[in-house]
Amino acid sequence: GQQVMQIPQYQHVQEGEDFTTYCNSSTTLSNIQWYKQRPGGHPVFLIQLVKSGEVKKQKRLTFQFGEAKKNSSLHITATQTTDVGTYFCGGSGNTGKLIFGQGTTLQVKP
Amino acid sequence: SAVISQKPSRDICQRGTSLTIQCQVDSQVTMMFWYRQQPGQSLTLIATANQGSEATYESGFVIDKFPISRPNLTFSTLTVSNMSPEDSSIYLCSVRTRNAYEQYFGPGTRLTVT
Repeated sequence: GQQVMQIPQYQHVQEGEDFTTYCNSSTTLSNIQWYKQRPGGHPVFLIQLVKSGEVKKQKRLTFQFGEAKKNSSLHITATQTTDVGTYFCGGSGNTGKLIFGQGTTLQVKP
Repeated sequence: SAVISQKPSRDICQRGTSLTIQCQVDSQVTMMFWYRQQPGQSLTLIATANQGSEATYESGFVIDKFPISRPNLTFSTLTVSNMSPEDSSIYLCSVRTRNAYEQYFGPGTRLTVT
């Protein structure tokens, strides 16, 4: 079945440094979604990517979808303490079900 | 968007008992899902709750252990049956609204089985 892998599992950065998490699917995806979960909270939708090679930006966050629609990345420029949390990618195939990666937990040292 | 409430927010249960978790949404939604998240882990899809019919379960999850109901477009329940300590986890209800693709998550139910 469909599997979604995400790396790294943890990342500690100094405030102001950049951060990137990578997501890889075992199968071609219809779309990929990114969610953020703050400590003690529930996942909150950030963005969806649908097109091959698509790039979207939200302020300091840049999301990319690979040409083969099997991988994606989230890049945060100049991290802030408010970026702390776990970032999940969720891949959707033909069934419409979201299968989530393991998540990348970001710690930011002030 | 959708606002989701879950009850109970947390519970401590004894081995062998069952717990029913309720999920209520403030608007009619097309799809409802139940996920499990163990501490520090990812979100694992248990099943898709179908209105008026049997839920669709993912591999590794069965109806006898996790019976699900969805009597209407705004409400669903998940029961964790014959619990063991391995069932200790956070259970999350998630929905997708009509004409939208993003999923909204409830606050979760933190279950501890002793």
